[in-house]
Amino acid sequence: DTAVSQTPKYLVTQMGNDKSIKCEQNLGHDTMYWYKQDSKKFLKIMFSYNNKELIINETVPNRFSPKSPDKAHLNLHINSLELGDSAVYFCASSQVSVSGNTIYFGEGSWLTVV
Amino acid sequence: AQSVTQLDSQVPVFEEAPVELRCNYSSSVSVYLFWYVQYPNQGLQLLLKYLSGSTLVKGINGFEAEFNKSQTSFHLRKPSVHISDTAEYFCAVSSVGYQKVTFGTGTKLQVIP
Repeated sequence: DTAVSQTPKYLVTQMGNDKSIKCEQNLGHDTMYWYKQDSKKFLKIMFSYNNKELIINETVPNRFSPKSPDKAHLNLHINSLELGDSAVYFCASSQVSVSGNTIYFGEGSWLTVV
Repeated sequence: AQSVTQLDSQVPVFEEAPVELRCNYSSSVSVYLFWYVQYPNQGLQLLLKYLSGSTLVKGINGFEAEFNKSQTSFHLRKPSVHISDTAEYFCAVSSVGYQKVTFGTGTKLQVIP
C-alpha cells in the first residue's frame, strides 16, 4: 500500500495546455505539500495545506492552483503551461505534532512541456 | 528564518571507503533535522532524523549522522559505502513550532567500483 501516491507519473504536454496532477495519502496526516524539483535537483516548496486550509503559499505563479477536497487529497492544477514549468513535482504529507514534522514523499510526477 | 547548506554538490568515493556528507543549518530556535536519499527517477526516502535526545542518530542502510549544536551541523556518515549508495542526498531542517521544512541543494554521492 503506497503511503503517498500521485498520478500521473509522466506527463508530456504542449505549451499553453492545462493539466492536473492528483495526490492522495493514506497515512492519516493533517498536512500535505507540493514541492517542485528542477533539473538541478533543487527542491522548493510550493504549497502546504493543513486540514484543507492553505498555510504556505510560496512565490508561485497564479497559474498554479492547488485544491484540497479533504485532508487526504491535494491536487495541483496548472493553467497555460510554459516551458519553464518542466520539472518533477512531488506531493508529500506530514503530521506536524508527531515525529517532528517528518515529511513523506510520493514518487513524483515528471512534467515535460514542449 | 531557517536555512540549510550542503557544501558539496558532488562527492566521489571508492567502494568500501568511508564517506561524510556535510550539512550546516541556520535557525533562531530549536530544530529538527533530516537526511533524505533520492535514487534515480524516484521520490525522496527518509534516511534518518534528529528530533531530540542523543546527538548520534542511526538510520537505514548503515548511515548515521551527528547533531552538533555548537557548530550547527548535521553531517551524514557511512563507514563503508556500496555501489547501491549512489544517489542524491538531501539535508533538511524544520524549526520547532514552524510548519515549513527547508531542504538543502543536495549532494550527489557517486560510488566508484
